[in-house]
Amino acid sequence: ETGVTQTPRHLVMGMTNKKSLKCEQHLGHNAMYWYKQSAKKPLELMFVYNFKEQTENNSVPSRFSPECPNSSHLFLHLHTLQPEDSALYLCASSRGQGLTNEKLFFGSGTQLSVL
Amino acid sequence: AQSVTQPDIHITVSEGASLELRCNYSYGATPYLFWYVQSPGQGLQLLLKYFSGDTLVQGIKGFEAEFKRSQSSFNLRKPSVHWSDAAEYFCAVGSSGSGNTGKLIFGQGTTLQVKP
Repeated sequence: ETGVTQTPRHLVMGMTNKKSLKCEQHLGHNAMYWYKQSAKKPLELMFVYNFKEQTENNSVPSRFSPECPNSSHLFLHLHTLQPEDSALYLCASSRGQGLTNEKLFFGSGTQLSVL
Repeated sequence: AQSVTQPDIHITVSEGASLELRCNYSYGATPYLFWYVQSPGQGLQLLLKYFSGDTLVQGIKGFEAEFKRSQSSFNLRKPSVHWSDAAEYFCAVGSSGSGNTGKLIFGQGTTLQVKP
């Protein structure tokens, strides 16, 4: 248990559906991240939030919409996804972005399948 | 631009044998280097990190890694592998110095299989 909880663990959705991924951290961290992990590809950083403000959007398509209402919660809203978006989506947190590359604490991920 | 290469996609070792996982990085300044492990169905867990100082870094679960600036490498080692070490291992490099944005660049990962 890393202190970062992601729900749901598995999600199957059609291309016209709208769904949301949730991430919650109980570590008192100020930075939260979304990563995409596709098979046999490096982890891709998608978004970074630091003190609830988005500080990084790594050219992510607009069909992915992040939301960070407070430092403990991070959402990823999904709509009109494509089959190639099927992947493991990992949430992570750290004490604060901009510090000396703090250790990242990862959740277990949401395995997303887009049909 | 920063990059990380893990040359071995898949490695199989016998239980009790020694292990070395390779990692090469490309970065102009002093890198921050990390090794993470991902067990099936889990997120990533930090094994060890190098920021400065002693180039041989000790981590959790009996792992160690050695930073070699001349070879741009940060290879992970373990003297005797246990069946529970079967997992995917990721090397990562982060930026250092002022203006750091806390971004990590990950390698493709190396899948470790342990034979009984």
